[in-house]
Amino acid sequence: TQLLEQSPQFLSIQEGENLTVYCNSSSVFSSLQWYRQEPGEGPVLLVTVVTGGEVKKLKRLTFQFGDARKDSSLHITAAQPGDTGLYLCAGSGGSYIPTFGRGTSLIVHP
Amino acid sequence: DTAVSQTPKYLVTQMGNDKSIKCEQNLGHDTMYWYKQDSKKFLKIMFSYNNKELIINETVPNRFSPKSPDKAHLNLHINSLELGDSAVYFCASSLGLRNEQFFGPGTRLTVL
Repeated sequence: TQLLEQSPQFLSIQEGENLTVYCNSSSVFSSLQWYRQEPGEGPVLLVTVVTGGEVKKLKRLTFQFGDARKDSSLHITAAQPGDTGLYLCAGSGGSYIPTFGRGTSLIVHP
Repeated sequence: DTAVSQTPKYLVTQMGNDKSIKCEQNLGHDTMYWYKQDSKKFLKIMFSYNNKELIINETVPNRFSPKSPDKAHLNLHINSLELGDSAVYFCASSLGLRNEQFFGPGTRLTVL
């Protein structure tokens, strides 16, 4: 089973601060997705990264896929209360079984 | 337009009962999934169907039986419910086996 470790598990910050969330594995993934889940709802896809070293930007969110395709990071610039939620990384490698990390719970205080 | 829908949203039942959760997707996807999210928010895959065929069955008790009458539907039937079955169950779909997934709103199951 391929494991994805996310850190930190919890993050509580003030509006306007920057933050980075990490997703690490010892396995190689053919692609990796980042999702955000809000309370009472299902996860919503933010981005998919496929190529090693790839960087994708979504407004204030920057996603990076490691060169070896074993890790990824999500950086949020000038966080806003609307960014509050559970951030999940997920990947699939040699098998078809999708693996999710345990998530980073982010709270942005006004 | 709802892409992936689940019913019911909430389900409260007694131990030992049998219950079903329904899922439908209107995205034209070939692959559907059932996940269980525990109280610590860990999302763990239970089953996956591709073109109505079971392709993933992740060590789930055989009290759980998925059924896919067609590509757009994947239902989950649970027999003899136990306290430990209490969780949020998410249905998801994807175009193919390794594509990004679209999730339903979840069904919160509480077993008393």
